[in-house]
Amino acid sequence: GQNIDQPTEMTATEGAIVQINCTYQTSGFNGLFWYQQHAGEAPTFLSYNVLDGLEEKGRFSSFLSRSKGYSYLLLKELQMKDSASYLCAVRDSNYQLIWGAGTKLIIKP
Amino acid sequence: IAGITQAPTSQILAAGRRMTLRCTQDMRHNAMYWYRQDLGLGLRLIHYSNTAGTTGKGEVPDGYSVSRANTDDFPLTLASAVPSQTSVYFCASSEGLAGANEQFFGPGTRLTVL
Repeated sequence: GQNIDQPTEMTATEGAIVQINCTYQTSGFNGLFWYQQHAGEAPTFLSYNVLDGLEEKGRFSSFLSRSKGYSYLLLKELQMKDSASYLCAVRDSNYQLIWGAGTKLIIKP
Repeated sequence: IAGITQAPTSQILAAGRRMTLRCTQDMRHNAMYWYRQDLGLGLRLIHYSNTAGTTGKGEVPDGYSVSRANTDDFPLTLASAVPSQTSVYFCASSEGLAGANEQFFGPGTRLTVL
């Protein structure tokens, strides 16, 4: 079967750095996405990786290793507004997204 | 309209009733999707449409039907609602299926079936 694993919850301090890991086992791979979802709201796109390596976008970076079935999202200079759930999703061989259950990130002052 | 809209925002429904959730996008995206989101689970695909006039079944299609008569609209129908269909439903769209085409999400419909 297809599976995406992420930690259920993480806590970090304002101003610090946090890394959210995602491991996947899917039938085929056509890219990996990270989304942010604030409580009660819709998911919004953060990043896309299809080749191995690091993609940087401001305070957020995403890394992919296809051989290891592994990705992480790195958030720097954490702000209170970064408190949200972070969803990892893999596009499979049918070009459908398989979603992890999400990691709830709690930021403390 | 800007992006994707969904209606209603929330609904309480008696079991056995028929219900249609509406979704409209104004981005001229080819692909559209319906997901349900339940606590502790990832988004699960119900049905999708790669282009107007075509639809396909996702991971959890039973009890749901869709139609795609035009590019903009993608309604989801529950023929006879059951309590296990209590969930938050998100409609999404993307310009294409491949590459960096991310999915854009509507605000969601919170459905409670009693």
